[in-house]
Amino acid sequence: DTAVSQTPKYLVTQMGNDKSIKCEQNLGHDTMYWYKQDSKKFLKIMFSYNNKELIINETVPNRFSPKSPDKAHLNLHINSLELGDSAVYFCASSQQLGLAVHIQYFGAGTRLSVL
Amino acid sequence: GQQLNQSPQSMFIQEGEDVSMNCTSSSIFNTWLWYKQDPGEGPVLLIALYKAGELTSNGRLTAQFGITRKDSFLNISASIPSDVGIYFCAGRGGSNYKLTFGKGTLLTVNP
Repeated sequence: DTAVSQTPKYLVTQMGNDKSIKCEQNLGHDTMYWYKQDSKKFLKIMFSYNNKELIINETVPNRFSPKSPDKAHLNLHINSLELGDSAVYFCASSQQLGLAVHIQYFGAGTRLSVL
Repeated sequence: GQQLNQSPQSMFIQEGEDVSMNCTSSSIFNTWLWYKQDPGEGPVLLIALYKAGELTSNGRLTAQFGITRKDSFLNISASIPSDVGIYFCAGRGGSNYKLTFGKGTLLTVNP
């Protein structure tokens, strides 16, 4: 079983469209994250939810809206896609238990291409 | 915000050689993590460090949490072709949840 799974793995779409990426973790973790990895492989945190509550909200355009229906799921909806949104988006999760809160487990990524 | 400087940016080595990479921070970190990312995959945790001065091994990998709490290094001994990938350091400062990532070291191993 995949611990942190994202769908879709690849997403090719036109500028201006709205799209969603889904993430699910079966690790029983309390906290989930979305990262963006650009073409230079730099990993940047976007959002984090702890028990369905938003705890990290970096400087991200408000076209990006995370939603956490329960602590095992964190979805990312993007409105009015732009060329600069093309990147790999990673979901991650961690558990709030002593020192282990700092260990984040990543999904395989969603490769978004905006044409 | 906190920044991590990771070096080198890339390395080309022969199979069997040892490798060393490091990260330095402009501020104190409480936790250092080292991840590896294979092509087309997400980062996978290699080693976690929680105390200044801590030296931890995982097979051929050894990492240390610098005594100043502003740096960490990762060594790979006797490299093999499957060591190829991007290695990231990540650090946690004051926030319980936020990790700051280095820009990665791309490792290429020639058989």
